[in-house]
Amino acid sequence: GAVVSQHPSWVICKSGTSVKIECRSLDFQATTMFWYRQFPKQSLMLMATSNEGSKATYEQGVEKDKFLINHASLTLSTLTVTSAHPEDSSFYICSAARTSQETQYFGPGTRLLVL
Amino acid sequence: AQSVTQLDSQVPVFEEAPVELRCNYSSSVSVYLFWYVQYPNQGLQLLLKYLSGSTLVESINGFEAEFNKSQTSFHLRKPSVHISDTAEYFCAVSGGGTSYGKLTFGQGTILTVHP
Repeated sequence: GAVVSQHPSWVICKSGTSVKIECRSLDFQATTMFWYRQFPKQSLMLMATSNEGSKATYEQGVEKDKFLINHASLTLSTLTVTSAHPEDSSFYICSAARTSQETQYFGPGTRLLVL
Repeated sequence: AQSVTQLDSQVPVFEEAPVELRCNYSSSVSVYLFWYVQYPNQGLQLLLKYLSGSTLVESINGFEAEFNKSQTSFHLRKPSVHISDTAEYFCAVSGGGTSYGKLTFGQGTILTVHP
């Protein structure tokens, strides 16, 4: 099967610091990766779509300067939460697909707590 | 804009009983519909999807869902559940073309199967 990993699985940081979350496709090459956010008792919300070698496309209401996405290789995408604040505390989930028209495979998620 | 409503946040059932997890959606364009399952401490996995053709789609482990355009529903059913079906189930919708893959999720339904 297709496996997607995320690192770290959970992170606690101080307000004002930056946090980087990695998303890796372990056994396939992913031209497209998606980043989602899930607040408690709410559904997953798509934040952005990244295509390898291109700039990410952000959904309405998501600050691109705050959530920096890099998809520099076919197996790795990173999400950096810059100058994190307590309201950024959430569950961040990535998914990867061989192409944008194919099935997405989801990572297990990263829980971020900003103090 | 699209939205997905899962009417039940939790569904408890006994083993070997039938189950239906309800999902309704709204969209101004043609949609593709998905059910994902999330087992504890794992990422979301695609259970089944409707893209076109037969409105009844099936998964390999006995679940089925029927696309009902007039009722804008995509309910998930299984005639006889097992303990191992205990998980959280998410209904999702995406548009076509360049919007394919940009999933809008429901809030999830936790299915608990009791012996």
